[in-house]
Amino acid sequence: DAMVIQNPRYQVTQFGKPVTLSCSQTLNHNVMYWYQQKSSQAPKLLFHYYDKDFNNEADTPDNFQSRRPNTSFCFLDIRSPGLGDAAMYLCATSITSPLLGNEQFFGPGTRLTVL
Amino acid sequence: AQSVTQLGSHVSVSEGALVLLRCNYSSSVPPYLFWYVQYPNQGLQLLLKYTSAATLVKGINGFEAEFKKSETSFHLTKPSAHMSDAAEYFCAVSEGGYGGSQGNLIFGKGTKLSVKP
Repeated sequence: DAMVIQNPRYQVTQFGKPVTLSCSQTLNHNVMYWYQQKSSQAPKLLFHYYDKDFNNEADTPDNFQSRRPNTSFCFLDIRSPGLGDAAMYLCATSITSPLLGNEQFFGPGTRLTVL
Repeated sequence: AQSVTQLGSHVSVSEGALVLLRCNYSSSVPPYLFWYVQYPNQGLQLLLKYTSAATLVKGINGFEAEFKKSETSFHLTKPSAHMSDAAEYFCAVSEGGYGGSQGNLIFGKGTKLSVKP
């Protein structure tokens, strides 16, 4: 089945130690998103790639970076995680099609713990 | 600017009772509207969506929603709640165009549904 895959599902890191979360998709969608979701809150968009074009949300901290080496993969790099960065990180994809109406397809998420 | 308001951060119903989760939106252009469900420690799963076709939209697991332009609402309903419906539900809106930031979803704050036996 076509899907969005996130690895790892659970990640523990130490305060200030860089960490990379990965997302891959078999849907061949041209848009990929990274969200941060804290407990009992809505997902907060960090950035997205429209094809190869990177779009950063204005309030996304510089501590967060992203890479998209090809259509299928996208990475979230947190350069110096702080305790406040502990959250669920969600990857999503979409395709520019009027039939799908901007529907986003979500992965299962990576739960990040910062010690 | 678009926005979404979900009335009630927590709704509790008895098993077999009607489920009604409220969502109101604001948008300067014809919107696309979505309901997503999230179970603990999982990603978001699409329940249903409105993309300017039929105003009454049927989704998975027996849920449906009606787009009412005059009321700027997109409330989610299910005639009979099941224990497995206990989860968090998010309403979202995006602009009617697509591509780039037009495709971004604006989420409501979510409603946690509890189902009592």
